[in-house]
Amino acid sequence: QQQVKQSPQSLIVQKGGISIINCAYENTAFDYFPWYQQFPGKGPALLIAIRPDVSEKKEGRFTISFNKSAKQFSLHIMDSQPGDSATYFCAASWVDSSYKLIFGSGTRLLVRP
Amino acid sequence: GAVVSQHPSWVICKSGTSVKIECRSLDFQATTMFWYRQFPKQSLMLMATSNEGSKATYEQGVEKDKFLINHASLTLSTLTVTSAHPEDSSFYICSASGSIGNTIYFGEGSWLTVV
Repeated sequence: QQQVKQSPQSLIVQKGGISIINCAYENTAFDYFPWYQQFPGKGPALLIAIRPDVSEKKEGRFTISFNKSAKQFSLHIMDSQPGDSATYFCAASWVDSSYKLIFGSGTRLLVRP
Repeated sequence: GAVVSQHPSWVICKSGTSVKIECRSLDFQATTMFWYRQFPKQSLMLMATSNEGSKATYEQGVEKDKFLINHASLTLSTLTVTSAHPEDSSFYICSASGSIGNTIYFGEGSWLTVV
């Protein structure tokens, strides 16, 4: 029940295309859903996060869609660029845990020029 | 913005020795720090949660006598890998939350290689 399932494991997108990564969770106590971007050899960097009181959040080219009833959320990267090539992790947490994060398995994104 | 600093960025140690990794919050008070371990091409696995001034809470399967965590101040937590073995070689990452508000920040990670 603590798991966060992430798919796909890897994704190849042409420059300018839309990258879509999906996550699903079971624990209905989760109330914070961030996405992290990680480059090789670096720590993860927060990309965008959403709370369950909204169904969508957009920041620049990055959008989170959240479906509370289905317990799913996804990351959409519009106009994907080669510089977006990285590993993306979804995560889930609950605020009263001081943000103890449960991570998905990760998606390696390659954006071809 | 808030910064969490880890030191060293990478370390090589001999099998059987101990190595300490530091995690510092540079511009906020970190009441809670988390330690993660990440093997190549895998996800981050939470090892333990440390709250300032109290004993760390370890996740199931993590040996608390092998991975000693100390959170003695609001800006510093340390992870000591005792009697290190080659299988302990990994990328160790800390994160911190606290006075900065409703978010959490990650350090840049520390590469440990045990030879």
